Amino acid sequence: DAGVTQSPTHLIKTRGQQVTLRCSPISGHKSVSWYQQVLGQGPQFIFQYYEKEERGRGNFPDRFSARQFPNYSSELNVNALLLGDSALYLCASSFGAINEKLFFGSGTQLSVL
Amino acid sequence: GQNIDQPTEMTATEGAIVQINCTYQTSGFNGLFWYQQHAGEAPTFLSYNVLDGLEEKGRFSSFLSRSKGYSYLLLKELQMKDSASYLCACLDSNYQLIWGAGTKLIIKP
Repeated sequence: DAGVTQSPTHLIKTRGQQVTLRCSPISGHKSVSWYQQVLGQGPQFIFQYYEKEERGRGNFPDRFSARQFPNYSSELNVNALLLGDSALYLCASSFGAINEKLFFGSGTQLSVL
Repeated sequence: GQNIDQPTEMTATEGAIVQINCTYQTSGFNGLFWYQQHAGEAPTFLSYNVLDGLEEKGRFSSFLSRSKGYSYLLLKELQMKDSASYLCACLDSNYQLIWGAGTKLIIKP
């Protein structure tokens, strides 16, 4: 069985641009969470979606948005990119809504120039 | 506020034992996780504690004291491949994960 897959693996953008990151959860998992991880720090929670509904939102500006599709895959959108948005963006899936054991994708490394 | 503290970096010798501590203050508590993250890779699950006590899983063990807001991860018979960052994370009252900054473990021959 495939694990959590994310695309693209690497991305370079310039300030002010918009970016869309994609995530496919493990088959059967209904929850997808997005995290931002800056080098040397722990992941910071951005969003959680469960059964296509937003279940939680972290302390990120409205430039960040996400959605979950009927097949449970998810997209994270970031508008008006800032240099500080440069980070590893991790997607994690779990079967239920309460964030029991998470399975992470390999992440998308976003560089904003 | 919510806070999770763990040492930034630790060094240990191959074959030895190391204990990585984590203290937490969160709004509600629904369990504590330890994840391992090798450089440039995604975190992988190591353990989950929700009740006080020690959970043993092979070379790795995790301990929790809810009254003290304290956990540790114990790694025995260290191997070079154990060089990684170890992340402590708590489930808060909303069942969202609050993460520590991670402890970078360096294993020397």
